[in-house]
Parts: sequence; C-alpha cells; structure tokens
Amino acid sequence: EIVMTQSPATLSVSPGERATLSCRASQSVSNNLAWYQQKPGQAPRLLIYDASTRATGIPARFSGSGSGTEFTLTISSLQSEDFAVYYCQQCGNWPPRFTFGQGTKVEIK
Amino acid sequence: EVQLVQSGAEVKKPGESLKISCKGSGYSFTTYWIGWVRQMPGKGLQWMGIIYPGDSDTRYSPSFQGQVTISADKSISTAYLQWSSLKASDTAVYYCARDLYSSGRYGMDVWGQGTTVTVSS
Repeated sequence: EIVMTQSPATLSVSPGERATLSCRASQSVSNNLAWYQQKPGQAPRLLIYDASTRATGIPARFSGSGSGTEFTLTISSLQSEDFAVYYCQQCGNWPPRFTFGQGTKVEIK
Repeated sequence: EVQLVQSGAEVKKPGESLKISCKGSGYSFTTYWIGWVRQMPGKGLQWMGIIYPGDSDTRYSPSFQGQVTISADKSISTAYLQWSSLKASDTAVYYCARDLYSSGRYGMDVWGQGTTVTVSS
C-alpha cells in the first residue's frame, strides 16, 4: 500500500502570509494526487485534482505542484476562511488503494 | 445541482447490523465511481472502498475488506455501506463522495454531508 506522509503536522501562519504544505508518497503516484480542505463539522472539499488543477470555484490563491513522490499545496495569501485541515490523497493506482495523508492543520499564528 | 445526500445519524449497540445510504442527483449516477471514507473522532480521513454503480464493480481497502459491504442500487441512484455486526470501534463519521476516476481525473469532487454512526452499549 502506498503511504502518504504530510508535513508539517501543524502550520502556524499569520493572515496574509504564504503557506506551503508538503505531501510525500512512498512510491511514485505520477500526478494522481488530490488536495482537500476540511473545516470542523464539515465534509472535505476538493481543492486540487491531478496534482495541479484547481477544482471548480476554488480561488486562485490555492495552487498545487509536484509529480512522482513529492507534492506541494501553496496558499499564496492566507485568508481567515483558509484556517482548516488539509489532506492529500493519492488516487490513481489500480486496483484502487486511494490512501490519504494524515493531514496538516493550518492555524492562526 | 450535483449532490450526494446521506442518511441520518445512527445510534446502535455492539453486534447490531446497519446499512447507511448515499443518494446521488444532478448527474449520471451510473458513470461515476462512489467512494466511502471514514473519519473516526478527532482523526483523519481513511479511504474504505469504491463502487461503480453502472455494474456494481466494488473494490475495498485491505483495512476494510471483510469488515463492511459496499453496494449500490442504480435504479434509485443510491449507494450503501453496511455492517453485519457493529463494534464500538466503528464509531465514526462516514462520508460518501463521487470519484473522478472514470473521467480520467484524480480526486473526489462531490461529497455527502456525512453520516455519524455511534456504537455504544
């Protein structure tokens, strides 16, 4: 099973600053990676699919990059509504084992 | 509007059976995979398995194989997750989500609101 490792576990950022979240796969997943945002009491929301494509309605301040085993989610200028937990998910192997990372919590500094 | 609507919260006793549902609308239910995701209290997301409602092809995470059953009734655009004998450790929120895999993209773009399952004696 492919293991997804996110870092850091918690990121303390001031509003308006840039946030960089990392996700590493234990073996290559090509660009078969998604990023999600989850706020307390809510379902996850797809931010990025195919490693770098923003989902419908996602603001341009969110961007994804990487391929193979190393991926990054960047939030260019954090807004108050961006403080949440972010998960990466590898989702392209077959038979499917679409594992999630353990999450990065972005909190207010 | 594309949406997935899940059944309501459940409180069960250990050993009881349970079947929760996820109804799709606003899109062709039979042409997208539906995945199930578990979130235990205060924890992260765990991918459980996936079903293609068009032909009921079903795949499970090894961690959940034999522990749950995923099924679908395409005639009513509904997917299901069921347990034959619940344990306290099944207490969690369960989400269904539409997977983009069949369209050649990678991610789960539409999520249900979640079903809270509480198992307690």
